[in-house]
Amino acid sequence: SQQGEEDPQALSIQEGENATMNCSYKTSINNLQWYRQNSGRGLVHLILIRSNEREKHSGRLRVTLDTSKKSSSLLITASRAADTASYFCAPRGAAGNKLTFGGGTRVLVKP
Amino acid sequence: DSGVTQTPKHLITATGQRVTLRCSPRSGDLSVYWYQQSLDQGLQFLIQYYNGEERAKGNILERFSAQQFPDLHSELNLSSLELGDSALYFCASSSSPNTEAFFGQGTRLTVV
Repeated sequence: SQQGEEDPQALSIQEGENATMNCSYKTSINNLQWYRQNSGRGLVHLILIRSNEREKHSGRLRVTLDTSKKSSSLLITASRAADTASYFCAPRGAAGNKLTFGGGTRVLVKP
Repeated sequence: DSGVTQTPKHLITATGQRVTLRCSPRSGDLSVYWYQQSLDQGLQFLIQYYNGEERAKGNILERFSAQQFPDLHSELNLSSLELGDSALYFCASSSSPNTEAFFGQGTRLTVV
């Protein structure tokens, strides 16, 4: 299965702190995507990192990818209450496998 | 606004009935995905289409069917509805099978 598994399942932090979550997967990938879901809303794409990239930034988001360990991490710096959401990773193969999601990491940012 | 439009936003229907959910992908996107999300099941992949052809199938029940039309919009048909089918149904689209996907706002189905 190409599905990623996020860890931890839940994370609670104070506003202004950093939040780090991890993703592990089992097969080779073409890219890995991170998404955010606010309660009851559709997922929003955050970052796509290709298999030949090791790190990527977008605003307060930093994603790393280690293909040798089949893992990725998402760091949210200087978190805000609006970052409260569930975060999902999606490893994608070259052939465009099913876009499936694990249980996600539920992040709660307390004001 | 993701550019993906799902209608209707809310739907309440009785057990045993049939409903059709509609999805209009972002302009130019050829791939369409359908998902079911209920409180105790997480986001379940149902089916994926690419340019009118079925590309991948998940745990889609036999009572459910979908198709993608020549204009690339897609419909998900749910029949013989049961209480357990109450959920949020999301559609997503992408330009190709492994690029980033854009999600609609979902259709909330309530079966009573």
